[in-house]
Amino acid sequence: GNSVTQMEGPVTLSEEAFLTINCTYTATGYPSLFWYVQYPGEGLQLLLKATKADDKGSNKGFEATYRKETTSFHLEKGSVQVSDSAVYFCALRASGNTGKLIFGQGTTLQVKP
Amino acid sequence: DVKVTQSSRYLVKRTGEKVFLECVQDMDHENMFWYRQDPGLGLRLIYFSYDVKMKEKGDIPEGYSVSREKKERFSLILESASTNQTSMYLCASHTRTSGRAGETQYFGPGTRLLVL
Repeated sequence: GNSVTQMEGPVTLSEEAFLTINCTYTATGYPSLFWYVQYPGEGLQLLLKATKADDKGSNKGFEATYRKETTSFHLEKGSVQVSDSAVYFCALRASGNTGKLIFGQGTTLQVKP
Repeated sequence: DVKVTQSSRYLVKRTGEKVFLECVQDMDHENMFWYRQDPGLGLRLIYFSYDVKMKEKGDIPEGYSVSREKKERFSLILESASTNQTSMYLCASHTRTSGRAGETQYFGPGTRLLVL
């Protein structure tokens, strides 16, 4: 079956540090991959996505590359800010148009000034 | 902008009570979803609906039911609330239309439910 595994948190970084949050997946076919972010007290919002192998999604300084050979979609940012403190979820959508997503367990990021 | 609203941000109920969580979206989306979010477990799908009066069980439907009488509204019902249903509940919607809008789910702000 389809599944997503993220690195466990919490991740605590100082401002301007480099961020990597690992995400690997198991899926049949050709899934689309997503990173969602949940700021304190809010619902989830889409951060970035990639729909095919070797695509790079990017938004707000975050990047992730769809690596089919390693079944990975790691999230990176070169210089984090305090405002990036949130919970990050990796997710996949299998083929079909139901829009169903399978989420990883989430990684909490805390950035200290 | 798509807007998904949920009827309550915080709710406190007693064991055995019937609980209704309401979700409304304003973008004419066909698909709607209910998840629960628990620390260390991520989001788990309870039920989803792909059309009015249509529903399909997700990964953890036990103890829950849903209702979709109108396209814009998707209700989650806890027939007899139990303490293990204390959680954050998130609603989302999605359109089957191809293109940018069809690539993601749009989430409401969540309802934090405490069952005593």
